[in-house]
Amino acid sequence: EIEMTQSPATLSVSPGERATLPCRASQSVSSNLAWYQKKPGQAPRLLIYGASTRATGIPARFSGSGSGTEFTLTISSLQSEDFAVYYCHQYNNWPRTFGQGTKVEIK
Amino acid sequence: EVQLVQSGAEVKKPGESLKISCKGSGYSFTTYWIGWVRQMPGKGLEWMGIIYPGDSDTRYSPSFQGQVTISVDNSINTAYLQWSSLKASDTAMYYCATQQQYRAASANWGQGTLVTVSS
Repeated sequence: EIEMTQSPATLSVSPGERATLPCRASQSVSSNLAWYQKKPGQAPRLLIYGASTRATGIPARFSGSGSGTEFTLTISSLQSEDFAVYYCHQYNNWPRTFGQGTKVEIK
Repeated sequence: EVQLVQSGAEVKKPGESLKISCKGSGYSFTTYWIGWVRQMPGKGLEWMGIIYPGDSDTRYSPSFQGQVTISVDNSINTAYLQWSSLKASDTAMYYCATQQQYRAASANWGQGTLVTVSS
């Protein structure tokens, strides 16, 4: 099973600032990596797939990069609606696995 | 527009059985994979398993193999997640999600079904 590691567990950022969220896979997942945003009481929302492709309707301030084992989600200028938990997810191998999540909170 | 509508919240006792549902619309139901994801209270997301309605090819994550059963009824475009004997540790929110290919991310999610197991 591929382990996905997200650190830190919590990131404190001021509105308007840039947030950089790393994700590491225990073995290569190629570019089969997605990022999801999760808010309380809501279903996960797909932000990025293929490591760097924005999903339909996702604002340009969200970007993804990386391949193999090292990935990054960047939010260029945090808006109030962006404070949430973000999960990376590998779909290269079975079983599919998620990282533990990084909570982006208001500083 | 792809939509997934899940059945409502359930409150059950330990040892009881349960089957929750996920009805798909707005797409060709038999050609998209459907997966189930668990989120226990205060915890992260866990992928449970996935099924291809076209041929009922089903895969389970090791942690859930033998603990749940995933199935579909193509006549009503509905996927199911069922337990034969619930435990308190099954208390969680359960989401269904579709993906167009086996190796793909899930762009469309159900609203979630909260399952509470308590004596």
